[in-house]
Amino acid sequence: DGGITQSPKYLFRKEGQNVTLSCEQNLNHDAMYWYRQDPGQGLRLIYYSQIVNDFQKGDIAEGYSVSREKKESFPLTVTSAQKNPTAFYLCASSEVLYGYTFGSGTRLTVV
Amino acid sequence: AQSVTQLDSHVSVSEGTPVLLRCNYSSSYSPSLFWYVQHPNKGLQLLLKYTSAATLVKGINGFEAEFKKSETSFHLTKPSAHMSDAAEYFCVVSDQGYGGSQGNLIFGKGTKLSVKP
Repeated sequence: DGGITQSPKYLFRKEGQNVTLSCEQNLNHDAMYWYRQDPGQGLRLIYYSQIVNDFQKGDIAEGYSVSREKKESFPLTVTSAQKNPTAFYLCASSEVLYGYTFGSGTRLTVV
Repeated sequence: AQSVTQLDSHVSVSEGTPVLLRCNYSSSYSPSLFWYVQHPNKGLQLLLKYTSAATLVKGINGFEAEFKKSETSFHLTKPSAHMSDAAEYFCVVSDQGYGGSQGNLIFGKGTKLSVKP
């Protein structure tokens, strides 16, 4: 079945550490996205990529980095510069004719 | 710029009674509008979408929404709530795409629906 796989489901990070969240899709979608979700805030766009080897900052990109070396993969690195990283992170992909598909999310907690 | 306002952060209904989740949007052109549902610690599932065709949109699980341009609203309704409908619901507008690509999604802050037995 086609879909988006996010891993891990739960992730714990010590303060000052970088961590990388994985997002893989087998839908052959061109565009991929990373959103951050906080209680009562809805989803806010971190980064997006419309094609391989290209990506753009979203509304809250500070403290995050991404890469898009392959069409199927769009990993997100939460760097030590992100002062409040505890949140639920959702990856999505889209194609004009088919709309958006979301992964099941990664919950990141700073310990 | 596009924006979305969900008028209620929390709605509580009894099982078998109607559901109304309110959403107003702001857009400088004819928007694409969506409703998504999210169960705890899960991803988002598309309930329905409006893309300038029929103004009354039917979605999955008995939900529907009506696009009212004069009121800039896109309220979500269901005639009879079920316990399994308890979840968080997001009203979403798509901003203008460029170069033929799909626009980015702009999310409301969500409405948590509780269903009492």
